[in-house]
Amino acid sequence: KAGVTQTPRYLIKTRGQQVTLSCSPISGHRSVSWYQQTPGQGLQFLFEYFSETQRNKGNFPGRFSGRQFSNSRSEMNVSTLELGDSALYLCASSFGDKNEKLFFGSGTQLSVL
Amino acid sequence: GDSVTQMEGPVTLSEEAFLTINCTYTATGYPSLFWYVQYPGEGLQLLLKATKADDKGSNKGFEATYRKETTSFHLEKGSVQVSDSAVYFCALSSGSARQLTFGSGTQLTVLP
Repeated sequence: KAGVTQTPRYLIKTRGQQVTLSCSPISGHRSVSWYQQTPGQGLQFLFEYFSETQRNKGNFPGRFSGRQFSNSRSEMNVSTLELGDSALYLCASSFGDKNEKLFFGSGTQLSVL
Repeated sequence: GDSVTQMEGPVTLSEEAFLTINCTYTATGYPSLFWYVQYPGEGLQLLLKATKADDKGSNKGFEATYRKETTSFHLEKGSVQVSDSAVYFCALSSGSARQLTFGSGTQLTVLP
């Protein structure tokens, strides 16, 4: 059974650009969550999608957005990139029930120059 | 708001030593508690979880007990191996939220 797949693995952008990251969940999973991991702030929740609807949103500016498609694949977009957006972005999938196990992808390492 | 405080790392142990990584939390209501592990270059993997007070989660020799009176969920292992070297994260989810609040992570290095 394939795991959670995130693409691309590495990304380099410059300030002011925008970026789109992709996440393919485990087959059958309908929930996809996104987390940002940085050395300074640790792991922070961005948002969660379930059946194409955003169910939860963390405390991030509106530059961070996401969506989920009918096949449960998800994308997140960051517009007007800032240096502080440099981070490892992790996607996690699950069936969508509270307290269940999340399956994480290996992440997309974004560097903003 | 919810928060998780973890023992500062890094932690370096010799193989077969006893491991404890402290974790305390602040949350409204009765959160569920988790330990996740991250190996180099990989995403996080669930190590164990407990969903109510006095529950003990266990997996691969690791254990943690949900202590409501001390708001703690300390991770323990009786005899660590080199392959246990990784970063360990304590986390919680509370209320109806389907999101995790993570601690800062503890880097564990086990030497042969």
